[in-house]
Amino acid sequence: KAGVTQTPRYLIKTRGQQVTLSCSPISGHRSVSWYQQTPGQGLQFLFEYFSETQRNKGNFPGRFSGRQFSNSRSEMNVSTLELGDSALYLCASSSTGGVYNEQFFGPGTRLTVL
Amino acid sequence: GENVEQHPSTLSVQEGDSAVIKCTYSDSASNYFPWYKQELGKRPQLIIDIRSNVGEKKDQRIAVTLNKTAKHFSLHITETQPEDSAVYFCAASRGGNNRLAFGKGNQVVVIP
Repeated sequence: KAGVTQTPRYLIKTRGQQVTLSCSPISGHRSVSWYQQTPGQGLQFLFEYFSETQRNKGNFPGRFSGRQFSNSRSEMNVSTLELGDSALYLCASSSTGGVYNEQFFGPGTRLTVL
Repeated sequence: GENVEQHPSTLSVQEGDSAVIKCTYSDSASNYFPWYKQELGKRPQLIIDIRSNVGEKKDQRIAVTLNKTAKHFSLHITETQPEDSAVYFCAASRGGNNRLAFGKGNQVVVIP
């Protein structure tokens, strides 16, 4: 099976702009989670989508939002970008057949806010 | 929410020696504990995981132990090789919940 893919791989934006990132999960996986990775804070959970519904949400401001489509592909959006939003954004897909769900990560989108 | 702490932050070992990374967690309801390896510029990759009904799990040179009473779990790498050099992250979550709480990561350097 093809792995998790993310587009674009790199983005440069300026403060105040908005950005949309895309994630395509492993075929058959219905859950997509998003994480922000920074050198200072490490990996932090943003939110999880399952069957087009947000199932879990982390402690990020409302400027961070997401959605999931019927084919399980997911997008996340960050509005009114701040310098501190510069980070590697990773998505992870998971099947939900069992109690313990392995998550498989995509390569990430490197966002730089100037 | 869950808080996962990871020690030490950097670990240097001679090739062939063992490396041990320890993590503690705060939420007693957590019951799934994966470990990820992230090489420079690459995605985190799941290397091993353990569920709360198991105390130890091995996969070739890698093993993980879990002490639910003390709320800590550890990764053991034996016979380290240069390709083991990477950042290792521990994580915890409640079963059926895909919200992983990660530790800050350990930089492991294997010296040839």
